[in-house]
Amino acid sequence: AQSVAQPEDQVNVAEGNPLTVKCTYSVSGNPYLFWYVQYPNRGLQFLLKYITGDNLVKGSYGFEAEFNKSQTSFHLKKPSALVSDSALYFCAVRDGGSSNTGKLIFGQGTTLQVKP
Amino acid sequence: EPEVTQTPSHQVTQMGQEVILRCVPISNHLYFYWYRQILGQKVEFLVSFYNNEISEKSEIFDDQFSVERPDGSNFTLKIRSTKLEDSAMYFCASNGASGGETQYFGPGTRLLVL
Repeated sequence: AQSVAQPEDQVNVAEGNPLTVKCTYSVSGNPYLFWYVQYPNRGLQFLLKYITGDNLVKGSYGFEAEFNKSQTSFHLKKPSALVSDSALYFCAVRDGGSSNTGKLIFGQGTTLQVKP
Repeated sequence: EPEVTQTPSHQVTQMGQEVILRCVPISNHLYFYWYRQILGQKVEFLVSFYNNEISEKSEIFDDQFSVERPDGSNFTLKIRSTKLEDSAMYFCASNGASGGETQYFGPGTRLLVL
């Protein structure tokens, strides 16, 4: 069965410092991995994805994520955090097999708090 | 930039009543989804829809739920007889093709069942 774990409920970081939001996954086939961000009372906004190719993927707003197959991880990173990055971040996975219907499995979410 | 829209943004209903949540996916997309998020919990898959039929549904998606694409643009989720535990934020999503295509989410409908 597919699953995603985000081990931290909350990550606190000072503005200007690097940030990391952790995600590990389990999937039977090739993983397609996604990060979404949710601002209060808003929908899910796509940040970036890994499908194949370069393990380091770059996305919106200066975020990037590194796919690590051996550790089954897909941690979200940003070199220099902004207060406006404060939000709820979700990691999601889908099985890349041809029979897959596209269903996304989400992690529990991690609240990022960036302090000025 | 094209986006997924959902109406209404909020709905309050009495237990046992029927509700219909509406979504307009991105116009050239082919795959459609409903997810829900109970307050403070993670986003959960409900159902996927392709080629005018359900392609997968979760165990949450029981006989009280149904989906429809009545006119080629709208995509609806109906809950026939709402329960208290149906209170949640419901998100519609769409993507253009299977494979790696990104699912784009609507802003959600917050459903409160009293």
